[in-house]
Amino acid sequence: QSVLTQPPSVSGAPGQRVTISCTGGSSNIGAGYDVHWYQQLPGTAPKLLIYGNNNRPSGVSDRFSGSKSGTSASLAITGLQAEDESDYFCQSFDISLRGSVFGGGTKLTVL
Amino acid sequence: QVQLVQSGAELKKPGYSVKVSCKASGGSPLNFAITWVRQGPGQGLEWVGGFIPSLGTASYALQFQDRVTISADESTSTTYMELRNLRSEDTAVYYCARVRERYDAFDLWGQGTRVTVSS
Repeated sequence: QSVLTQPPSVSGAPGQRVTISCTGGSSNIGAGYDVHWYQQLPGTAPKLLIYGNNNRPSGVSDRFSGSKSGTSASLAITGLQAEDESDYFCQSFDISLRGSVFGGGTKLTVL
Repeated sequence: QVQLVQSGAELKKPGYSVKVSCKASGGSPLNFAITWVRQGPGQGLEWVGGFIPSLGTASYALQFQDRVTISADESTSTTYMELRNLRSEDTAVYYCARVRERYDAFDLWGQGTRVTVSS
């Protein structure tokens, strides 16, 4: 059972917009800690997609954006492409656990 | 350009220990914090712990703190993660990653080291 809750799967057609939610609690996201997002293609290491809730590292497409409100955060992907089909994970810090925590991951399928 | 290069796959018996290394290539000094994350077969990501070389301090996830030690050798720009008293549930790919300055985000990852625990 992950500390942060994500939907197991989402899907969308090419060109559409999809969002992936990440729900935490008062000891992590709700306590004001940043949320970060990762993309993981099969058999590869995760790649940082969004850091500090809504910042993109250099080289990451502006089709990816992040937001945070209260005890939740969201990753939005616009103009869906086949290459976006991947697993996505959110991450934050938990003051009760005194360390980083992850969501269980969401598998994005491009129809 | 800095890369994190990890040691090769390991096969260990239950009760034994494993030590995985993570080297910052390209002659880069170890002037950034390093974290370790693992991923069991078909599972999500799980934080193991982290190390700040400039302070020489480590922090560990509560579920591992009795069995894990993270250390670094700054002379070789290498970080180590040792996990003791291995169980079958420790079978996973272990990743090291660089912690982005001022954020608790992991912006550069090693290629991963597969650790298999089996009798």
